[in-house]
Amino acid sequence: DIQMTQSPSTVFASVGDRVTITCRASQSVNLWVTWYQQKPGKAPKFLMWKASSLDSGVPSRFSGSGSGTEFTLTISSLQPDDFATYYCQQCHSYPYTFGQGTKLEIK
Amino acid sequence: QVQLVQSGAEVKKPGASVKVSCKTSGYTFTNYWMHWIHQAPGQGLEWMGMINPTNGGTIYAQKFQGRVAMTRDTSTSTLYMELSSLRSEDTAVYYCARDHYSGSGTYLDYWGQGTLVTVSS
Repeated sequence: DIQMTQSPSTVFASVGDRVTITCRASQSVNLWVTWYQQKPGKAPKFLMWKASSLDSGVPSRFSGSGSGTEFTLTISSLQPDDFATYYCQQCHSYPYTFGQGTKLEIK
Repeated sequence: QVQLVQSGAEVKKPGASVKVSCKTSGYTFTNYWMHWIHQAPGQGLEWMGMINPTNGGTIYAQKFQGRVAMTRDTSTSTLYMELSSLRSEDTAVYYCARDHYSGSGTYLDYWGQGTLVTVSS
C-alpha cells in the first residue's frame, strides 16, 4: 500500500498568515493527489484534485503543487473559515490511502 | 443537486453486523462509482473500498476484506455497506463518497453526512 505522510500534524497560525502543508507519498503517485478539508462533526469537503486543480467555488487563496512523491497545499492568507483539518489522498492505486491529517488551529 | 443521504446512527454488540445505507439523488446513479470511508473517533480517514453501481463490482481494502460487503439497489439509487463480526475498533463514522472520474484521474466530489456506528457490549 502507498503511505501518505502529512506534515506538520498540527499548525498554529493567525488570520492573514500563509500556511503550507506537505504530503509525502511512499512511492510515486504521479499527479493523483486530492485534498480535502474537514470541520468537526462534518463530512470532508473536496478542495482540489490532480495536485493543483481547484474545485469550483474554492477560494483562490488555496493552491496546490507537486508531483511524484511530494505535494503541498498552501493557503496564502488564512481566513477564519479555514481553521479545520486537511487531508491528502492518493488516487493512483488501490487502496486509495489518506494522509493522517493536518489540523490548522488558531494561534 | 447531488445528494447522498445516509442512514442513522447504530449501536451494535461485538460480533454483530451492521448495514449502512447511502441514498443518492440528483445524478445518474450508474454513472459514478461509490466509495466508503471509515473514520474512528478523533482519527483520520481510512478508505474501505468502492462499488460500481452498474454491475455491483467491488474493490475492497485488504484490511476489511472478508468482513465488508458493498452492494447497491439500482431501483432506489441506494448503496449499502455491511460490516460483519463487529469489534470495538469498528466504532467509527462511516461515509459514502461519490467517485468523479474525469478520464484522466479520479476524486471524491460529494460525501454523505456520515453514519456513526458504535460497537459496545
